[in-house]
Amino acid sequence: NAGVMQNPRHLVRRRGQEARLRCSPMKGHSHVYWYRQLPEEGLKFMVYLQKENIIDESGMPKERFSAEFPKEGPSILRIQQVVRGDSAAYFCASSRKGGFDSPLHFGNGTRLTVT
Amino acid sequence: GQQLNQSPQSMFIQEGEDVSMNCTSSSIFNTWLWYKQDPGEGPVLLIALYKAGELTSNGRLTAQFGITRKDSFLNISASIPSDVGIYFCAGADSGTYKYIFGTGTRLKVLA
Repeated sequence: NAGVMQNPRHLVRRRGQEARLRCSPMKGHSHVYWYRQLPEEGLKFMVYLQKENIIDESGMPKERFSAEFPKEGPSILRIQQVVRGDSAAYFCASSRKGGFDSPLHFGNGTRLTVT
Repeated sequence: GQQLNQSPQSMFIQEGEDVSMNCTSSSIFNTWLWYKQDPGEGPVLLIALYKAGELTSNGRLTAQFGITRKDSFLNISASIPSDVGIYFCAGADSGTYKYIFGTGTRLKVLA
């Protein structure tokens, strides 16, 4: 039983480059959430997606950040023209269904470093 | 916006001691989740709570969904060194489908 798979585990980008973070949910899960974590802090919600739909993107910065969860393939979090402040751990979580009786299961994250 | 306050922020305890931590919200939640995160890893789900007053155990861990629906508690009995880590609470309400996370309780166990 594969859990939530994220890749890459570590990503280094220079300022101005693009970062692409991938997340494959657990088998049977069709709901994906992205969270961001700074050192010594909690997880901040970014976006919630179902297959081909963005349900809630209230935590996403309005510019440079986008997310998708296509019918086939992993969910992608894309950060364009990265800046040093984007350096953080980005975690993906999946759930079997939406609603409050389906808890989130997390991957091991992608640690983005912007130099 | 919604806020989750976790306390204590950190604690040092002796091996074998019991541990208690709690989480309070500024608004009512329908679900409370408790996670443990080890360095360099993602959070791992420990316990999920779905009803006010619910008390649920998972081995040495016990968690309760507060009656007011604005708080939750996690207890660890007879702590062992591998209990070291950061414990996060997370809650969700009926207005949104996103889980809000607390700031974490950092637990260190002295052998």
